[in-house]
Amino acid sequence: NAGVTQTPKFQVLKTGQSMTLQCAQDMNHEYMSWYRQDPGMGLRLIHYSVGAGITDQGEVPNGYNVSRSTTEDFPLRLLSAAPSQTSVYFCASRSQGFYNSPLHFGNGTRLTVT
Amino acid sequence: AQTVTQSQPEMSVQEAETVTLSCTYDTSESNYYLFWYKQPPSRQMILVIRQEAYKQQNATENRFSVNFQKAAKSFSLKISDSQLGDTAMYFCAFMKTNAGNMLTFGGGTRLMVKP
Repeated sequence: NAGVTQTPKFQVLKTGQSMTLQCAQDMNHEYMSWYRQDPGMGLRLIHYSVGAGITDQGEVPNGYNVSRSTTEDFPLRLLSAAPSQTSVYFCASRSQGFYNSPLHFGNGTRLTVT
Repeated sequence: AQTVTQSQPEMSVQEAETVTLSCTYDTSESNYYLFWYKQPPSRQMILVIRQEAYKQQNATENRFSVNFQKAAKSFSLKISDSQLGDTAMYFCAFMKTNAGNMLTFGGGTRLMVKP
């Protein structure tokens, strides 16, 4: 039972570098999303998707890109990393079939930008 | 836009005692869902309890219960018979009906259960 898998668990980047955070789910969930967690601010929505080929911006999308070419995968790209993007990143998924079904979270990626 | 406020950044409780975590929210929606998530040091996000706004009855899950006051826009979490394993960050979250997977989270309350 893999659920939502995020890789890597930890990453250190230098300012200006690019990278992709990977997220995969094996539950055939339509909805997927990316959140970032910062101290005292809870989790904030970066981007989300309601199905393959459909993505939209959340509360804090600047500096991040996403794509959803398959139902299973929802990668988050940092084009030019900045220290302000130091955070813990969570991917989550949910079934569309039951409108009050809970979010399933991955275990997070801790990203440090120096 | 919705906002969720958790006014207690940190709390502590003795093992076996009861503790209540506060959460207030602001919304113009009439139908929505409210959640409490637990985040232990492992960083995993674990759903503790959820409440549908149209239900007047407060949700309960074993030692966890909520006091949902819709008019006051308040959604507190009560943990009875606290256990050492309850030590964690607790997040209150709001979701509009049919909002897909868009949750609005509060800033969190760090709970320490002391032996």
